[in-house]
Formats: sequence, structure tokens, C-alpha cells
Amino acid sequence: AQKVTQAQTEISVVEKEDVTLDCVYETRDTTYYLFWYKQPPSGELVFLIRRNSFDEQNEISGRYSWNFQKSTSSFNFTITASQVVDSAVYFCALRGSGSARQLTFGSGTQLTVLP
Amino acid sequence: DTAVSQTPKYLVTQMGNDKSIKCEQNLGHDTMYWYKQDSKKFLKIMFSYNNKELIINETVPNRFSPKSPDKAHLNLHINSLELGDSAVYFCASSQKPRDIPYGYTFGSGTRLTVV
Repeated sequence: AQKVTQAQTEISVVEKEDVTLDCVYETRDTTYYLFWYKQPPSGELVFLIRRNSFDEQNEISGRYSWNFQKSTSSFNFTITASQVVDSAVYFCALRGSGSARQLTFGSGTQLTVLP
Repeated sequence: DTAVSQTPKYLVTQMGNDKSIKCEQNLGHDTMYWYKQDSKKFLKIMFSYNNKELIINETVPNRFSPKSPDKAHLNLHINSLELGDSAVYFCASSQKPRDIPYGYTFGSGTRLTVV
């Protein structure tokens, strides 16, 4: 069975603060894929990043960065210098390597960036 | 061009009615999914079809029946709608395990309200 835990239900920060969203996963697969999605108030699911289990390099994309640590089964997401437009629900998700190809989502973290 | 399109975007209906949500993808993907997002924002897989064949059928009431006339379409029919069916339903598609980098593409969602 696969499981994704996002322990932070809601986070509020003031604009320009850095914020880290935590994600911890469980899987028995040796090969798996981790994702982050953003769901703004408009409701659509916006893809942010995919990471393969065999690639532990951290990634930076503009103000976004991701820290993948296999040893702790974590795939955390940091937003640097947060902006009001970053306010959204952020989902971490996992897909294993079996024939079932669905994404298993965490419960999401509601991020509110205050001006 | 919309990659994964769902219709309708909003659906308000009375208890006991039967309704359908349509989904079409023009990406040439071979797997399609239905996810349900409840009022607490939790996203849960309902069904998955691969080349018109059902491969995942999670614990979903029999009132929900997916239909895939071809690999580009996956429709969701719901019989005898209940208040608890109110949610946002997302359609998605994905490639084979040797995924393109973005992997999963989601539709914009259908907000179903049962009154």
C-alpha cells in the first residue's frame, strides 16, 4: 500500500517569508515517482514537479525548491520570498512502479500568504 | 487546445437523478482516471482505464459506472444521486510507465452539487 502524509493542514505566512511544505511518503516499491501539484482558488490542478526515486538531486526552479531525501522518505517543497499569488492548496503525490498507475495524493496543505 | 476537457464544469441536480460527466483527452495517452475531491480537498482515485480496459475500481458505490468508448474518452455516469456525492470530480490521463516528464494531465474539474 502507498501512503502520502502532509501533516501541515494550514500554513499562514506574511509575504516575502520563506515557507516549507512537508511531505512524507510510504511505499514498498523500489522505483517510484513523487509529484507536487498546486490547486489555486480557481480549482484546477497545476503540475509543479516530478521526481524519480533514483534521482535524489534537489531541484530549484525560480522561487521554488524541492528537497528529496530517500533516507527519511520525505519530499519537501520550499517557496522562497512568498507572494500572495502563492496562496493555494499544495498536494504531494506518489506513484509506484506497479501496473496500477494512479497517483496517491496527500491530504494537501492550504498555504495562505498575507500581504 | 485543451488537453483534458471535462463537461460540464458545474452540475447542480436533485437527489435521485441520474447524471453523466464527460471527459476527453487529445494527448494520445493510454490511461485515464477519475478522481473525487471531497469538501475537505482530499483527492481519491475512483477508476482507472487503460486502453478502454478497467484496471482500477476503488471502493466506489455501484451507482457510479465509468464508460470508455475509446482510449480518448472516459465518461462517468452516476445513478440515483445522493447528497454525499456532492464533490469536485477530476478526470486525468497519463502515458505508459515510460512517462513523458509531466506524466499526468488533469482536467479542470466538474463541481457536482446534489440538492
